[in-house]
Amino acid sequence: GENVEQHPSTLSVQEGDSAVIKCTYSDSASNYFPWYKQELGKRPQLIIDIRSNVGEKKDQRIAVTLNKTAKHFSLHITETQPEDSAVYFCAASSLYGGSQGNLIFGKGTKLSVKP
Amino acid sequence: DAGITQSPRYKITETGRQVTLMCHQTWSHSYMFWYRQDLGHGLRLIYYSAAADITDKGEVPDGYVVSRSKTENFPLTLESATRSQTSVYFCASRRIKGQPNTEAFFGQGTRLTVV
Repeated sequence: GENVEQHPSTLSVQEGDSAVIKCTYSDSASNYFPWYKQELGKRPQLIIDIRSNVGEKKDQRIAVTLNKTAKHFSLHITETQPEDSAVYFCAASSLYGGSQGNLIFGKGTKLSVKP
Repeated sequence: DAGITQSPRYKITETGRQVTLMCHQTWSHSYMFWYRQDLGHGLRLIYYSAAADITDKGEVPDGYVVSRSKTENFPLTLESATRSQTSVYFCASRRIKGQPNTEAFFGQGTRLTVV
């Protein structure tokens, strides 16, 4: 089955700096890669996702890149703000049915943005 | 309200007791999932369901039972609770197959303590 590795487990940056979180996946059939943000005591919520036919996607200060050959994808947050402090999870999945419809998550990265 | 809801939000039970966590979604999403969240382990998949009456094991299924007689409900039962099952449990749902929206939505979570 799919296995997702996520690094680093903790990340501390100064406000205004950039943050990068990296993930690798094992199943070449995976073709959908979402990122979730979880604030303390809250449920995970989608912040951005990318499909395997796209190499990069941006949404304001957030971007995700995908390298299918190397089976890795990354989350980039620019101009970080204190409200970006949270745990971020990457995941891998297929857009199609069967067991490939599952979302398998990395172990998470706790991002702290210091004012 | 539309969405995905879990009940109860908090539960304390004794070792050996049976406990059921409820999950209900109003979108008619085909896929539903149960995850447990523990520090250092991220979100681990317990069971998933591709449709009504179709369920299968995830990464950590031992000690859990699920059913899905109706599309909208996906209860998780701990047949004989153990302290190692103390965790935060999240239910999620997702549209697959031919649908443009592939985001997985999470319930609010259930914090279960086994004493």
